[in-house]
Amino acid sequence: KNEVEQSPQNLTAQEGEFITINCSYSVGISALHWLQQHPGGGIVSLFMLSSGKKKHGRLIATINIQEKHSSLHITASHPRDSAVYICAVYPIYGGATNKLIFGTGTLLAVQP
Amino acid sequence: GAVVSQHPSWVICKSGTSVKIECRSLDFQATTMFWYRQFPKQSLMLMATSNEGSKATYEQGVEKDKFLINHASLTLSTLTVTSAHPEDSSFYICSARAQGANPLYEQYFGPGTRLTVT
Repeated sequence: KNEVEQSPQNLTAQEGEFITINCSYSVGISALHWLQQHPGGGIVSLFMLSSGKKKHGRLIATINIQEKHSSLHITASHPRDSAVYICAVYPIYGGATNKLIFGTGTLLAVQP
Repeated sequence: GAVVSQHPSWVICKSGTSVKIECRSLDFQATTMFWYRQFPKQSLMLMATSNEGSKATYEQGVEKDKFLINHASLTLSTLTVTSAHPEDSSFYICSARAQGANPLYEQYFGPGTRLTVT
């Protein structure tokens, strides 16, 4: 079983819909990244959070450390949001050489 | 925000040749850089961790003689794929951690380099 699990693996939505992508992890963490990767493109860091909630434009990320769970929400989705969304965590056991553990990603397609 | 660049963004080379990929932190000094590779429809796989002025630490299963990493300055790390073969074709991504980063774990990702070996 992967230490970082994402759901769903694939998601198709209609433009304007509210979207939620979930991330569950099994290790103690220092922080969690939500990353975005467009087809054939590089990685963009959307959020890094260790508690609570962050908002940037139409994107909202929440994390519950006790439940080892994070969600990424997209409000008023748009076709340009179509991408792979990756959850990655910094495990506490990594210490100063903290290496990210990646989820397998969620492929989002937003149809006009 | 912190910017990391990679050069080239894509490269095609013949089997047996070597290819160098550069990763630069443009507006900050990076004591640590990470090199990842990504196969189609798969997540990132960490290849090695590069610290400025010291030898890179390679992940298990990554051949250090094939993937040469040099982190000679606080703004530049290079990955050289030596004697490339078609199976080395992949998307290579670097990330960088700023000197004195707070929090320590904050990383910034480069745009990636697509390598195709023919």
